[in-house]
Amino acid sequence: AQKITQTQPGMFVQEKEAVTLDCTYDTSDPSYGLFWYKQPSSGEMIFLIYQGSYDQQNATEGRYSLNFQKARKSANLVISASQLGDSAMYFCAMREAILTGGGNKLTFGTGTQLKVEL
Amino acid sequence: EAQVTQNPRYLITVTGKKLTVTCSQNMNHEYMSWYRQDPGLGLRQIYYSMNVEVTDKGDVPEGYKVSRKEKRNFPLILESPSPNQTSLYFCASRKKARQEKLLYGYTFGSGTRLTVV
Repeated sequence: AQKITQTQPGMFVQEKEAVTLDCTYDTSDPSYGLFWYKQPSSGEMIFLIYQGSYDQQNATEGRYSLNFQKARKSANLVISASQLGDSAMYFCAMREAILTGGGNKLTFGTGTQLKVEL
Repeated sequence: EAQVTQNPRYLITVTGKKLTVTCSQNMNHEYMSWYRQDPGLGLRQIYYSMNVEVTDKGDVPEGYKVSRKEKRNFPLILESPSPNQTSLYFCASRKKARQEKLLYGYTFGSGTRLTVV
């Protein structure tokens, strides 16, 4: 079974609009972390936001927020006021603290390609 | 500036010619890892290291070797590259969490685009 599922291969959004990128995960580890990374066309991986399984509140970082619904095992990324520079591939990833021997692996989804249009 | 530095950024090589991709981090991180990225597959872990002289296999270790002789460096070695190792490679590092509930993410290098012909 896929540990991280991103069901949207591609998304379009108009500039200044908000967009939600979906991510669901599967784990039985009580301690895990969820991460979103941005990969522009230049190829580097840029960390955006982190949510811990024990965190009570949804994480926010500037225009990025993470809609964490633990019971549904979803960790959707919300980008508010989209900008042209937000056009990129976005990856959801998970670290499991115990089941992967101390959390040495980030498991990635297959990514969502976001295109911001004028 | 805190960073993970990979070299080279781009490399084209021929089948069977040994190569090394270097990775260095200046953040004193304990953990380091190598990933490869292929279209439609996301990123998959090749090898990881929890500290000096401690390394272990990830999901796709075949055809690769690593070493961790110093804390800051974690080179990826392809002894006999083959075309199916054509990929985008990332080195990443993170610090060891002192608390059970604190999970740090990895900081990634800029990537190495390898083509094996």
